[in-house]
Amino acid sequence: GQSLEQPSEVTAVEGAIVQMNCTYQTSGFYGLSWYQQHDGGAPTFLSYNALDGLEETGRFSSFLSRSDSYGYLLLQELQMKDSASYFCAAPRSGTYKYIFGTGTRLKVLA
Amino acid sequence: DAGVIQSPRHEVTEMGQEVTLRCKPISGHDYLFWYRQTMMRGLELLIYFNNNVPIDDSGMPEDRFSAKMPNASFSTLKIQPSEPRDSAVYFCASSKSRLAKNIQYFGAGTRLSVL
Repeated sequence: GQSLEQPSEVTAVEGAIVQMNCTYQTSGFYGLSWYQQHDGGAPTFLSYNALDGLEETGRFSSFLSRSDSYGYLLLQELQMKDSASYFCAAPRSGTYKYIFGTGTRLKVLA
Repeated sequence: DAGVIQSPRHEVTEMGQEVTLRCKPISGHDYLFWYRQTMMRGLELLIYFNNNVPIDDSGMPEDRFSAKMPNASFSTLKIQPSEPRDSAVYFCASSKSRLAKNIQYFGAGTRLSVL
């Protein structure tokens, strides 16, 4: 089967750094994406890893290790507006059939 | 560009009624996706199109669900007859092939309540 597992909830304080993990089991692999979704809103794209290693975009970084079937999203200098749900997602190899992870709800405390 | 546009934003209907959700993708995008999101099942891909052709509908829950894309700028998801368990937020997303990072752009969603 195919699944992407994420911890259900993470809590951190403003200004801190938080890491949200994603472990996956997919038949084939075609890169790992990350999306942010605020309550009542739509998912919005954050980051994508096609290859192993770290991708950095401002306060957001994403890491992928295909040999370990593992990735994470790192948020630095947390702000209250970062409180949202974060999803990892991957398409089945050779297709655009995307599987989304179970999602991590991030709570940022003042 | 206005982004992906979905209508209606909210739909309340009674069990047994037909429901039609609409989506206008971003101009120039050749992939269109329909997702359903619930607390229990998360975000699920129902069907996706490439150049208006359905490629994979294995996520469509049953025959009551159907989707069409008559042209590059319009798609519909129809539920007939609707049931209370269909209550969810339905998202449409579009993407452009060969675009780096495989970014999907989501519409604001339609919140469906079937009573």
